Amino acid sequence: GQNIDQPTEMTATEGAIVQINCTYQTSGFNGLFWYQQHAGEAPTFLSYNVLDGLEEKGRFSSFLSRSKGYSYLLLKELQMKDSASYLCAVRDYNDYKLSFGAGTTVTVRA
Amino acid sequence: GAVVSQHPSWVICKSGTSVKIECRSLDFQATTMFWYRQFPKQSLMLMATSNEGSKATYEQGVEKDKFLINHASLTLSTLTVTSAHPEDSSFYICSAAPPSGGDTQYFGPGTRLTVL
Repeated sequence: GQNIDQPTEMTATEGAIVQINCTYQTSGFNGLFWYQQHAGEAPTFLSYNVLDGLEEKGRFSSFLSRSKGYSYLLLKELQMKDSASYLCAVRDYNDYKLSFGAGTTVTVRA
Repeated sequence: GAVVSQHPSWVICKSGTSVKIECRSLDFQATTMFWYRQFPKQSLMLMATSNEGSKATYEQGVEKDKFLINHASLTLSTLTVTSAHPEDSSFYICSAAPPSGGDTQYFGPGTRLTVL
């Protein structure tokens, strides 16, 4: 099984940077995903890491350390529309199931 | 990215009735689809894995006779909530992964179920 932890809430100012950490314990690892979810909507894919290191996609970057069971999502140049819940999810090696963390609600203030 | 649709977007029903939710992959064939449930301010919980041409695999604690899953074709999976009760009110989301394995599952827009 998977045990995934991430902070419940974070608040930041427009234009700032926020880092959302995710730690996991897994019986079989086949990739870590970050999703964004606005209230009342389905999650949308942000990033995927399966090897150690940093993946950069525009204003969003994601980092993975498999040996530490640790990932973070970095949001730069925050915009009001970035206010949402950010979900960390780990994929199982055997059956490709995704296990989700509880999500981190990010509030961007002017 | 790939498109997955769900129908209906929202439904209100009376306690004791059954509700069917459809999940379609619009631009790829999906041998496997997943059904999730999300309660307010909580994360997604996997309910079951829907396999085309075979029985669904249910997660522990999910009643297979209450949540009927049919994956009749490579582009359609249905979830039927039978004898719905108010505690079944939730946001139901399906996802599908392209057959190449790929790097993500693509989520449908979700179905908001309210049982009165």
